[in-house]
Amino acid sequence: AAGVIQSPRHLIKEKRETATLKCYPIPRHDTVYWYQQGPGQDPQFLISFYEKMQSDKGSIPDRFSAQQFSDYHSELNMSSLELGDSALYFCASSFNLNTEAFFGQGTRLTVV
Amino acid sequence: KQEVTQIPAALSVPEGENLVLNCSFTDSAIYNLQWFRQDPGKGLTSLLLIQSSQREQTSGRLNASLDKSSGRSTLYIAASQPGDSATYLCAVRSLYNNAGNMLTFGGGTRLMVKP
Repeated sequence: AAGVIQSPRHLIKEKRETATLKCYPIPRHDTVYWYQQGPGQDPQFLISFYEKMQSDKGSIPDRFSAQQFSDYHSELNMSSLELGDSALYFCASSFNLNTEAFFGQGTRLTVV
Repeated sequence: KQEVTQIPAALSVPEGENLVLNCSFTDSAIYNLQWFRQDPGKGLTSLLLIQSSQREQTSGRLNASLDKSSGRSTLYIAASQPGDSATYLCAVRSLYNNAGNMLTFGGGTRLMVKP
């Protein structure tokens, strides 16, 4: 069965650079969520989209933005990267807002 | 604001033992609760989903219960195996701004099953 696809799997950027993370949800899933997981921490909610509209916003820095496109894939854009942005970034998808969420394998971002 | 707590933070057991992982949440206004497994540096694998109207869900050797009124869930693992070693996370989907669109995670229980 198709799963949530994230790309790239690994990314190394320098401070003050920008990064774009991509997420391809499970087919027919209309909801996408982004989470950030620092070393030894639990995942922290960043932002979510339902039917291509932002549905909720968590602890996402102003330097970050995201959107969901017409084909339901989503991109997380991160600018002015800081060392503290180094983390695993997960995307999850679900059909509708209240059903089981499935997570991708994550993108490991390292800022040097 | 929803807060999710998992106890214990770490657990080491010999192979074959039955064990219980605990999850508690502060706000009982939830849509559902999910249990995940995470191997080091890897993604989250969904194990069980319990809707707010349900009391328990079973999948193989796993059984999850939900007591919404008391804000508690347990994950029971029967006949544990070394391959069960991982971090187990519970996550609650809260009623937030009238939309159940965010999962709040607990800190996880790091399980090690020794052969």
